[in-house]
Amino acid sequence: SQQGEEDPQALSIQEGENATMNCSYKTSINNLQWYRQNSGRGLVHLILIRSNEREKHSGRLRVTLDTSKKSSSLLITASRAADTASYFCATPLRDFGNEKLTFGTGTRLTIIP
Amino acid sequence: KAGVTQTPRYLIKTRGQQVTLSCSPISGHRSVSWYQQTPGQGLQFLFEYFSETQRNKGNFPGRFSGRQFSNSRSEMNVSTLELGDSALYLCASSLGQDVDFGPGTRLLVL
Repeated sequence: SQQGEEDPQALSIQEGENATMNCSYKTSINNLQWYRQNSGRGLVHLILIRSNEREKHSGRLRVTLDTSKKSSSLLITASRAADTASYFCATPLRDFGNEKLTFGTGTRLTIIP
Repeated sequence: KAGVTQTPRYLIKTRGQQVTLSCSPISGHRSVSWYQQTPGQGLQFLFEYFSETQRNKGNFPGRFSGRQFSNSRSEMNVSTLELGDSALYLCASSLGQDVDFGPGTRLLVL
């Protein structure tokens, strides 16, 4: 079962606009990560935000975390065609004493030149 | 640093056959995890190996197995392939919270 759900499932915006994706998760976490995946390829780690952080920036990326609502958002500012990809949130899920990274359903972002 | 490598990148098999996929982690990373990605189920955790031992396992049938060697390289095997096993298989190596994914092996079962 999925730990996280991204919203929206798909998003198309004009180049230069900002893109916002949301992620909701079910259980308590100590961190949340965002990944990007270009069509059918491997995942690229974008950013990790810890449970005691509310906001984190990395270049054109801004991630927020609201642990009371069990949600996170990823904002990409001044989008570029190269940002076209699927974006996933991932959280570590403790299972029988071991942690495994569980992924949300993903948001497919298309940047229109 | 050299990234995670997976071989082969593409593979076509027929139902009933078996397949072995390989993953070479980043040097120094001792944990290797495997994921299956399909359009219908998304990214599903298969298993994790650490120091040649399976440390964690997802909800997949016994046809899916894996192992890890002393140099941390890992293989996963799928026996008696089914059409539904067609997927992108991703390997991730990690050291602490530092996780790196390979490019994946795309398996098509006919």
